[in-house]
Amino acid sequence: DTGVSQDPRHKITKRGQNVTFRCDPISEHNRLYWYRQTLGQGPEFLTYFQNEAQLEKSRLLSDRFSAERPKGSFSTLEIQRTEQGDSAMYLCASSPRRDRGRTEAFFGQGTRLTVV
Amino acid sequence: AQSVTQLDSQVPVFEEAPVELRCNYSSSVSVYLFWYVQYPNQGLQLLLKYLSGSTLVKGINGFEAEFNKSQTSFHLRKPSVHISDTAEYFCAVNTGNQFYFGTGTSLTVIP
Repeated sequence: DTGVSQDPRHKITKRGQNVTFRCDPISEHNRLYWYRQTLGQGPEFLTYFQNEAQLEKSRLLSDRFSAERPKGSFSTLEIQRTEQGDSAMYLCASSPRRDRGRTEAFFGQGTRLTVV
Repeated sequence: AQSVTQLDSQVPVFEEAPVELRCNYSSSVSVYLFWYVQYPNQGLQLLLKYLSGSTLVKGINGFEAEFNKSQTSFHLRKPSVHISDTAEYFCAVNTGNQFYFGTGTSLTVIP
């Protein structure tokens, strides 16, 4: 299976700890997105990469959040000094570059973060 | 600015009955429209998409949707639902850089 892969699937951490999530996109997809989803809500955009360049970042993303995509392949999302409000499902998606959005995003299974 | 409104947060429907899940969007530019389904603790799976051409698009699992530019709507329909259709459904638009999602409609199929 060559779908989007996220690791870990579940993470429980104590408040104040740092966590890092990994996303492996579909190979040859040069766009990669991170979304956050809380219970009963739709996915909220966090950030997006085209190859290794981080092109857009949501204002929702505080300074405690950082994302990287070295070499334009896998990506990591790090949350420093976690807070209970960070508890959510973190979704990664990838898509090939087409004419201004003429393609769907392919989603991973998500990482469920619980901050206690 | 772009936004997506899903008018119904919860839709209960009896098995084998038809269903329509409503979606309206606002955008100042051309958009591409999508419906995704999400099962508990899973990622999002594409049901169907409108990129161009025929305004009636067919997707997986017997779902279809109609793009109505004048009404800025993209409602999802299925003529006869099955128990396995119970899930969360999300409408989304893409204007080129990111996907904007609605808040979702929880479809519950009652036996």
